[in-house]
Order: sequence, then C-alpha cells, then structure tokens
Amino acid sequence: GQSLEQPSEVTAVEGAIVQINCTYQTSGFYGLSWYQQHDGGAPTFLSYNALDGLEETGRFSSFLSRSDSYGYLLLQELQMKDSASYFCAVRDKGNTPLVFGKGTRLSVIA
Amino acid sequence: DVKVTQSSRYLVKRTGEKVFLECVQDMDHENMFWYRQDPGLGLRLIYFSYDVKMKEKGDIPEGYSVSREKKERFSLILESASTNQTSMYLCASSFDRGFYNEQFFGPGTRLTVL
Repeated sequence: GQSLEQPSEVTAVEGAIVQINCTYQTSGFYGLSWYQQHDGGAPTFLSYNALDGLEETGRFSSFLSRSDSYGYLLLQELQMKDSASYFCAVRDKGNTPLVFGKGTRLSVIA
Repeated sequence: DVKVTQSSRYLVKRTGEKVFLECVQDMDHENMFWYRQDPGLGLRLIYFSYDVKMKEKGDIPEGYSVSREKKERFSLILESASTNQTSMYLCASSFDRGFYNEQFFGPGTRLTVL
C-alpha cells in the first residue's frame, strides 16, 4: 500500500515564502507530483520529481529526496491567488493511478 | 489544450435512484479515472480504466460501477444512491506513457443524495 502525509493547513503572508512538506511510504516509486486546486475548481498539475533534487518553475519549486521518502513544494513571492489546496501524489508502479495525499490548504494573508 | 468535461456541475438525487455521471475527454487519452473528494479525505480513487471495455477497481469501489464503451467516455454509475455518496466526483484522464503521465481533471460534479 501507499500512504502520504502532508500538513492539513498552512498560513503565510503575501510576498513571503512557504514550504509544504510531503512524506510518503510506497512499495515502489515512480515519482512525486504536486497538484493545485482552488476552491470550486479542478486539480491542476504543478510539478513532477522523479530524481533527487530541486525542480524550479517560476515562483514554484519542488524538491525530492528519495532516500528520505520526502519532498516539498516551495512557493515564493506569495500572492493572494496562491490561496488554494495543494496535493502531493505518488505512483508506486508504472502507469498506475496516482495516489493523493489529503491536501494542504494554504491561506495567503495580507 | 486537453479538455475533460463532466455532464453536470451539480446534481441532486433521491436515495435509491440510479445515477449516471458522464465524463468525456477530447485528447485520445488511454487512461481514465473516477475519484471522489470529501473534506479532510483528499481524492480517493473509485475506478479506473486503461482501455475501452476495461476497468479496474480503485480504493473505494463499493456501491459504484463504471462503463467505458468508447475511448473518450467513462461513466460512473451509482446503482442505488445513498446519502453517504453525497460528494464531489472528479473525472481525470491521462496518456499511457509508461513512466509518468500527468492526470488532467474535469471540473467535477457535486452530487447531493437526499
């Protein structure tokens, strides 16, 4: 089986940096993904890490350490529109469905 | 752009009714998925399909069935709706690339069973 742990809620100030952590337990490992979901919206893909290290896409970065079964999503220069839920997800075999964490609700405050 | 559409955004049904939720994708994706999303529980996989006429149970298939008669369409069926099936239902699709396949989600159907 697979399990993922991420904080349920995080609050951060506009313009600041926030890190959302995710730890996972899987029998195999085919990468860690992150999805963003605004209230009332569909989840949308943010990033994917298959190898250790940091992947940067604009204000968002994602990090993976396979030896620690750990990853994080880093959001810089926070904007109010970043208020959303963020889900980490893993797959333990090729072409199997993603298994999602329960999500972290990020609130950006002025 | 990949587009995944779901037949209804909001649906209200009565206990015991048979409910059909339809999902259509327009990018010739092999894989399609049905999730339900409940507060504090995240996205839980109900059923998925890798090809036409094929289906696999996910983590919570009880009380649901699916149908995939055409590649672009994946239907979720609640044979006899119950109040504990009140939820947000999300459909998703992806290519079969063997290693990583980003999942594209539809807008969701919020189902209320009275």
